[in-house]
Amino acid sequence: NFMLTQPHSVSESPGKTVTISCTRSSGSIASNYVQWYQQRPGSSPTTVIYEDNQRPSGVPDRFSGSIDSSSNSASLTISGLKTEDEADYYCQSYDSSNQRVFGGGTKLTVL
Amino acid sequence: QVQLQESGPGLVKPSQTLSLTCTVSGGSISSGSYYWSWIRQPAGKGLEWIGRIYTSGSTNYNPSLKSRVTISVDTSKNQFSLKLSSVTAADTAVYYCARDYPPLAWFDPWGQGTLVTVSS
Repeated sequence: NFMLTQPHSVSESPGKTVTISCTRSSGSIASNYVQWYQQRPGSSPTTVIYEDNQRPSGVPDRFSGSIDSSSNSASLTISGLKTEDEADYYCQSYDSSNQRVFGGGTKLTVL
Repeated sequence: QVQLQESGPGLVKPSQTLSLTCTVSGGSISSGSYYWSWIRQPAGKGLEWIGRIYTSGSTNYNPSLKSRVTISVDTSKNQFSLKLSSVTAADTAVYYCARDYPPLAWFDPWGQGTLVTVSS
């Protein structure tokens, strides 16, 4: 199995832009789609990005996803930060044996 | 739209079997090419995928749990279930069910989650 490594926490001020990385330990990040989930305290995760860079309806375009093959990583970028964006964010992908893997999660603080 | 709801005992004794059911509403569990997954989250920790099932009965499990996990489906009831045997305190977690869209391995939607505590 592979691992997805995320920073434990990030913080930024309202109105600014923050990027959360997700690095795949083995296998190409570009070979399997990456999803990003937002989880607020006491709630179930919800999708903010699927298929590397697609936003579900209802997710503001302040949220964007990308893939960087050179660093074998995916990134979630949130621009124009709002206090309501404060949450835990998880990346998730899979491999050719149909194993699904989550990153360890990143706590975003908007201060 | 499709909604999922977990149900089952909130307290399980060590060494016993944890059993949970996920009821799918707003659509048939058999429609589309979806799999149906179980995911868990210990308090204050990250998400761990447990396994998934297709309505044909085909399953995939997390290798770290495979020896103790059984996922089954009952299409007549629009439900799928999780059994985790020989539980210990380390299995205490919020357990979620979610729809798994195979081409993307995308979990959406999720159930609200149910807390299972392993304690004597």
